[in-house]
Amino acid sequence: EDKVVQSPLSLVVHEGDTVTLNCSYEVTNFRSLLWYKQEKKAPTFLFMLTSSGIEKKSGRLSSILDKKELFSILNITATQTGDSAVYLCAVEGGSQGNLIFGKGTKLSVKP
Amino acid sequence: DSGVTQTPKHLITATGQRVTLRCSPRSGDLSVYWYQQSLDQGLQFLIQYYNGEERAKGNILERFSAQQFPDLHSELNLSSLELGDSALYFCASSPSGPPSNEQFFGPGTRLTVL
Repeated sequence: EDKVVQSPLSLVVHEGDTVTLNCSYEVTNFRSLLWYKQEKKAPTFLFMLTSSGIEKKSGRLSSILDKKELFSILNITATQTGDSAVYLCAVEGGSQGNLIFGKGTKLSVKP
Repeated sequence: DSGVTQTPKHLITATGQRVTLRCSPRSGDLSVYWYQQSLDQGLQFLIQYYNGEERAKGNILERFSAQQFPDLHSELNLSSLELGDSALYFCASSPSGPPSNEQFFGPGTRLTVL
């Protein structure tokens, strides 16, 4: 069975800290791995990764994929209270090529 | 704002009833995806339509059905509702069919079954 596992499930940090969120997967017919940020409602797209070892970066957020070890990490540096959200990892693949989501990591950034 | 719209925002109904959730994709997007998000299960893929045709099916119950109309909007029909169907239902759209690529999510419909 295809699965995506995120860790930790929740994390509390203080402003200015650096955090690393983990996503491991066992998904057949892997095509890509995506990260989303979910605040109060709809998930919003952060990154899509398809190649191993190539870092994607957007401001204080960065992500990298390891297709050999089947995992990805999402780094957030100099965290701010506005980074508080649930971060979702999704893998595109499986028998039908749809997105398979992990349960998310809930990040809380304290002032 | 992703450009995907969903109505209604909230829906409260009783067990055994039937409801219809509506989604309008971003302009130009041909694919529509439906997801169910509950506290214990996370985001679960239900079904995908591409340009009016069903393309992929996930963990969708037989009591649920969907369709995509010629103007590309989509409806998700949930019937014989049970307490366990209470969840947030998201619609997402993307320009193409599988591979899914980046999907843009609507604000969701929160369904409460009493």
